[in-house]
Amino acid sequence: DIQMTQSPSSLSASVGDRVTITCRASQSISTYLNWYQQKPGKAPKFLIHVASNLQSGVPSRFSGSGSGTDFTLTISSLQPEDFATYYCQQSYILPLTFGGGTKVEIK
Amino acid sequence: EVQLLESGGGLVQPGGSLRLSCTASGITSSNYAMNWVRQAPGKGLEWVSGISDSGATTYYADSVKGRFTIARDNSKNTLFLQMNSLRAEDTAVYFCVQTRSSGISDGFDVWGQGTMVTVSS
Repeated sequence: DIQMTQSPSSLSASVGDRVTITCRASQSISTYLNWYQQKPGKAPKFLIHVASNLQSGVPSRFSGSGSGTDFTLTISSLQPEDFATYYCQQSYILPLTFGGGTKVEIK
Repeated sequence: EVQLLESGGGLVQPGGSLRLSCTASGITSSNYAMNWVRQAPGKGLEWVSGISDSGATTYYADSVKGRFTIARDNSKNTLFLQMNSLRAEDTAVYFCVQTRSSGISDGFDVWGQGTMVTVSS
């Protein structure tokens, strides 16, 4: 199985900060990497498809990049509604696997 | 607007069975592959099972293979997960998820609200 490792596992940031979350795959997955946002008690929301394609309705302050084994999710200017847990997921091969999550908290 | 509504969760004893259902509205779900993803209390996301748009092909995580069965009834826009021989470690919120295409491993586009399964004596 492909292991997905996210870092950091949590971070504290202020509104307006630039935030970067990293996701590393245990083997190359090309760009078959998706990102999700989850708020407490809610279902995850699909943010980014195949590493860098922003889903419809997702604010442009979110962006994704990377290929192979290393990927990043960047929030250019953190907004109050962005405080949540973010998960990466590889869709290269079954079983589909997720990273452990990165919790973005208010500083 | 596409909506997925799960049902069938609850409390069950170890070794017992449950059948989850997920009904789609606002879309013809037969055009899309479907999956179940679970989340244990306070933990991350785990893919459980997937099924092709036609229902002809199914996939399972090793942790549930041989115990869980995924199926769909496209005439009723409904997805199922039959869970047998349940264990304490199956305790989780189970999400019904529609992929963004007919590809089983494409992005998880639409999520239900989740249904809680608790396995305990």
